[in-house]
Amino acid sequence: SSEVTQGPAMSVALGQTVRITCQGDSLKTSYASWYQQRPGQAPLLVIYNKNNRPSGIPDRFSASWSGNTASLTITGTQAEDEADYYCFSRGRSGWVFGGGTKLTVL
Amino acid sequence: QVSLVQSGEEVKKPGASVKVSCRTSGDGFHRHHLHWVRQTPGQGLEWMGVISPSGDITIYAQDLQGRVTMTRDTSTSTDYMELSSLRPEDTAIYYCTRDHSNGDITWWLDPWGQGTLVIVSS
Repeated sequence: SSEVTQGPAMSVALGQTVRITCQGDSLKTSYASWYQQRPGQAPLLVIYNKNNRPSGIPDRFSASWSGNTASLTITGTQAEDEADYYCFSRGRSGWVFGGGTKLTVL
Repeated sequence: QVSLVQSGEEVKKPGASVKVSCRTSGDGFHRHHLHWVRQTPGQGLEWMGVISPSGDITIYAQDLQGRVTMTRDTSTSTDYMELSSLRPEDTAIYYCTRDHSNGDITWWLDPWGQGTLVIVSS
């Protein structure tokens, strides 16, 4: 079983808010970073260093955390946000990605 | 502006080895760790391992121990990932990506190479 678990799929209506979560023991002591991957493209960093956005990432993306759960929230979801999302954190013997969440924008 | 440029597509037979390169263009090669990540068709991202800035320390995913070797040539700012005893299930896109961290509490990966497709087929 994966060290970090994510729900496999979510859907959100255009303009609404969606929260994507990762759960795992490693998230009790470290902060996850988050990646967006559109079909046929390399992953793109969207959240780093707790709750920072790289240049060019819209401010509708934000992160939060509680206990063993890290969350990525998209507020006012746009059509271009439809993608796969992955969390990344330190694992037991290296680093680990969550299984990924496929986000569909309705 | 830093970019990571990877070598091209490879087609290998089962049992063979493949060596993928990742050249850093821009600053910081000597200051950052470098991770390798792969993605099998239609599946998620799998962390493979990391190499230190000087190249003297590597940490590999347990599932790949014994088959993967990561090295770097500091004179050309190029990283290499070699995977041996290839199996059809190693067919995947392989990415290199630069490590960043804040103490021992958070890590992030940016930028990413464009990916190298490795096909293992008889």
